Amino acid sequence: DIQMTQSPSSVSASIGDRVTITCRASQDIRSFLAWYQQKPGKAPKLLIYAASSLQSGVPSRFSGSGSGTDFTLTISNLQPEDFTTYYCQQADSFPFTFGGGTKVEI
Amino acid sequence: QVQLVESGGGVVQPGRSLRLSCAASGFFFSSYGMHWVRQAPGKGLEWVASISYERSDEYHADSVKGRFTISRDNSKNTLYLEMNSLKPEDTAVYYCAKDLPSRHCSNGVCYPDAFDIWGQGTMVTVSS
Repeated sequence: DIQMTQSPSSVSASIGDRVTITCRASQDIRSFLAWYQQKPGKAPKLLIYAASSLQSGVPSRFSGSGSGTDFTLTISNLQPEDFTTYYCQQADSFPFTFGGGTKVEI
Repeated sequence: QVQLVESGGGVVQPGRSLRLSCAASGFFFSSYGMHWVRQAPGKGLEWVASISYERSDEYHADSVKGRFTISRDNSKNTLYLEMNSLKPEDTAVYYCAKDLPSRHCSNGVCYPDAFDIWGQGTMVTVSS
């Protein structure tokens, strides 16, 4: 199975900051990586797919990059609603696997 | 609007069975692969199972293989997860999710690039 390692597990930031979250795959997953945002008690919401494609309706302050084994999610100009948890997921092959999550805190 | 609504969760004793349902609306259900993903209390996301749009392919995580079965009824726009021999470690919120239309294929298997619509989740608690 492909292991997904996210870092950091938590990050402290302020409104207006830029935050970068990293996801590393245990093997080459090409560009088949997605990023999700999850707020407490809610279902995950798709932000980015295919490593860098912004899902419809998602603000442009969210961006993704990377290929192969190393990927990043960048949130520019942090807004109050962005302080929550983010997960990466490899979509290269079954079994799909998720990173452990990154909590963005004030 | 596009919507997924799970039901069927509850409290069940170890070793017993439960069937989850996911009712889909607002999109052409029979054209999309569907998935179950779970989240144990305070933990991260774990993929559980996937089924292709035409029901010909099913995939299950090793942790549930032989105990859980994903299925779908395209005439009822409904996805199911039959869960047998439940264990305490199956305690989680279970989400159903829909294929993003964008997908890629490799070695005869097609994969969605992500899950674009998720239900609100249904809680399953396995406890004596």
